[in-house]
Amino acid sequence: DTAVSQTPKYLVTQMGNDKSIKCEQNLGHDTMYWYKQDSKKFLKIMFSYNNKELIINETVPNRFSPKSPDKAHLNLHINSLELGDSAVYFCASSQDGRQGYSPLHFGNGTRLTVT
Amino acid sequence: GQNIDQPTEMTATEGAIVQINCTYQTSGFNGLFWYQQHAGEAPTFLSYNVLDGLEEKGRFSSFLSRSKGYSYLLLKELQMKDSASYLCAVLHYGNNRLAFGKGNQVVVIP
Repeated sequence: DTAVSQTPKYLVTQMGNDKSIKCEQNLGHDTMYWYKQDSKKFLKIMFSYNNKELIINETVPNRFSPKSPDKAHLNLHINSLELGDSAVYFCASSQDGRQGYSPLHFGNGTRLTVT
Repeated sequence: GQNIDQPTEMTATEGAIVQINCTYQTSGFNGLFWYQQHAGEAPTFLSYNVLDGLEEKGRFSSFLSRSKGYSYLLLKELQMKDSASYLCAVLHYGNNRLAFGKGNQVVVIP
């Protein structure tokens, strides 16, 4: 199946831990993203990579570090997790994010709960 | 910056028509997207408008007026499976950032 897939689907961890979320797309897209959706369902962009190059880096804490080993993968590492990091994290991809008008294809989300 | 406003929730009957509005303010408009998000699932693309007017796609239509900073999504012949949140998102010309509204929750009842 052609898709954006991210793992894990659920992640429950304690404050202070470090965790990673992985994302892969087999759509042949050039651009990948991380979005955060909070409890009020507000979807906000965090990062965007085009062909492994960082093109959008929103104001997020330094504890969040994305890594793109190749254009089909974009992982998100989070250090020293805090309660406020609890949210659903969506990975997405588009044909060419620099053009802007390519629709986003989202993964199924990772529900992170920090206790 | 971008401000996007959507009403939060509406209920409609199966078979009816519902219109979901979105107003926005942005310094550099480069298109407006509508996405559908079922509870616990990923958003999925519905439509894209960059020019004024109505785009029709089956039971769903999307309208844009750039001068008024206004768009609506029209859902016709509502089905139970249309119960979802509908997100409008505005693309900024300069930085290619897509800013999402909070979404409008539509509940379809028999």
